[in-house]
Amino acid sequence: KQEVTQIPAALSVPEGENLVLNCSFTDSAIYNLQWFRQDPGKGLTSLLLIQSSQREQTSGRLNASLDKSSGRSTLYIAASQPGDSATYLCAVVHSGGGADGLTFGKGTHLIIQP
Amino acid sequence: ETGVTQTPRHLVMGMTNKKSLKCEQHLGHNAMYWYKQSAKKPLELMFVYSLEERVENNSVPSRFSPECPNSSHLFLHLHTLQPEDSALYLCASSQVFAGVGYNEQFFGPGTRLTVL
Repeated sequence: KQEVTQIPAALSVPEGENLVLNCSFTDSAIYNLQWFRQDPGKGLTSLLLIQSSQREQTSGRLNASLDKSSGRSTLYIAASQPGDSATYLCAVVHSGGGADGLTFGKGTHLIIQP
Repeated sequence: ETGVTQTPRHLVMGMTNKKSLKCEQHLGHNAMYWYKQSAKKPLELMFVYSLEERVENNSVPSRFSPECPNSSHLFLHLHTLQPEDSALYLCASSQVFAGVGYNEQFFGPGTRLTVL
């Protein structure tokens, strides 16, 4: 059974810092990996999707990397801002595509101090 | 309306009530999903529909009954729920390509359910 772990569980940093969120998964046979952010009481916003054949994806100040063989992904946030405060979720699709559900980690709760 | 919408946004029900959650996607996708988010637990997949057929039922109790009348609409019918079923219920959709499966999922805002 696939398990996804996110470290740290919570993180508080001053505005302007660069930071890294970590995600690991137990079964490297994934099809893709998706990073989301969730604001309190709200739904999920998709940030980046990395397919298993890719090594990284970038969107603005966000960069996600994937090392499938070691079962790891990182989300790098450059020049953090108070608006980045949210819970960040990592999720993987296990099988070879199709309508498969995501397996999620518990998330990293991020606070950016003004 | 754009993206994935869910109604109602909040619902309070007694254990003997019957209610339904509604999800609609405006993205032209052909797969839809129900997830449950409880406090202190990871998001859990409940049901998957692809091309309006249920392809996965993740061992969900029968008091939760999904319905997918077409590729744009998904319902979750609720009856005789328990207080531990209180949670945020999230709907998602994606486009599935036969034999390839891109599967980037887009989520709605969720329904906050409280069972008294």
